[in-house]
Amino acid sequence: QKEVEQNSGPLSVPEGAIASLNCTYSDRGSQSFFWYRQYSGKSPELIMFIYSNGDKEDGRFTAQLNKASQYVSLLIRDSQPSDSATYLCAVRIYGQNFVFGPGTRLSVLP
Amino acid sequence: DGGITQSPKYLFRKEGQNVTLSCEQNLNHDAMYWYRQDPGQGLRLIYYSQIVNDFQKGDIAEGYSVSREKKESFPLTVTSAQKNPTAFYLCASSINSNEQFFGPGTRLTVL
Repeated sequence: QKEVEQNSGPLSVPEGAIASLNCTYSDRGSQSFFWYRQYSGKSPELIMFIYSNGDKEDGRFTAQLNKASQYVSLLIRDSQPSDSATYLCAVRIYGQNFVFGPGTRLSVLP
Repeated sequence: DGGITQSPKYLFRKEGQNVTLSCEQNLNHDAMYWYRQDPGQGLRLIYYSQIVNDFQKGDIAEGYSVSREKKESFPLTVTSAQKNPTAFYLCASSINSNEQFFGPGTRLTVL
C-alpha cells in the first residue's frame, strides 16, 4: 500500500525563523510531489510542486526532493504568524492518483 | 472569474437520507476528484473522473455515487449506505492530472 508520512506536529517556530517540514513516501515509483497549505476550516491551497531531485525555490518557500532517500521537505524562511496552518504533502505516481499525507500543523509564534 | 465552486457550504443529513453535494468548475479542466477529510487525517479519494461520462472508484467509494454528464460538473451523492458520512468533503480538478486545485469544501453533518 502506498503511504505518505508526515510528523503531525504541532511544529512551533518563532517569527522570523526557518520552518522545516518533512515528508517520506513508500513508493519508489513516485514522480510528482506537492505541498499544500490548509488553514483551519478551509480547503487546501497548492503552494509548491517539485518533480526533480534537488531544490526548488519560490519566494520564501523551498521544496527539496531526495528520491534516493524517498523524502521531500518544505522550508519556509522568515516564518510569519500567517504561515500558521497545516501543511499537506502529496505524492503522485505517473498515471495514478495522488496520495496525501496526514499533514503537519505549523504554529509560528509572534 | 475562474475557479471551483462547491455547494452547499454546510449540509445536515438525517439518518437514512441521501444527499447530493455540488461541484462546478469553469477552468476547462478534464479531471475532477472527490475527497473526504476527517479530523487529523489526510485526504482520502472517493471517486474521480478523467473525462465526461466516465468515472472510477477511489479508495473509499462504498456508500457514495457520482455522475459526470458535463465537463464542468461532478456531483457527489452520499447515500444512506454510507454509515459514517460526517466529514469535510473536497472537490478538486486538474488539467492534465498533475497539480490539483480544490474547491472551498462542504461540511456534512449527520443529525
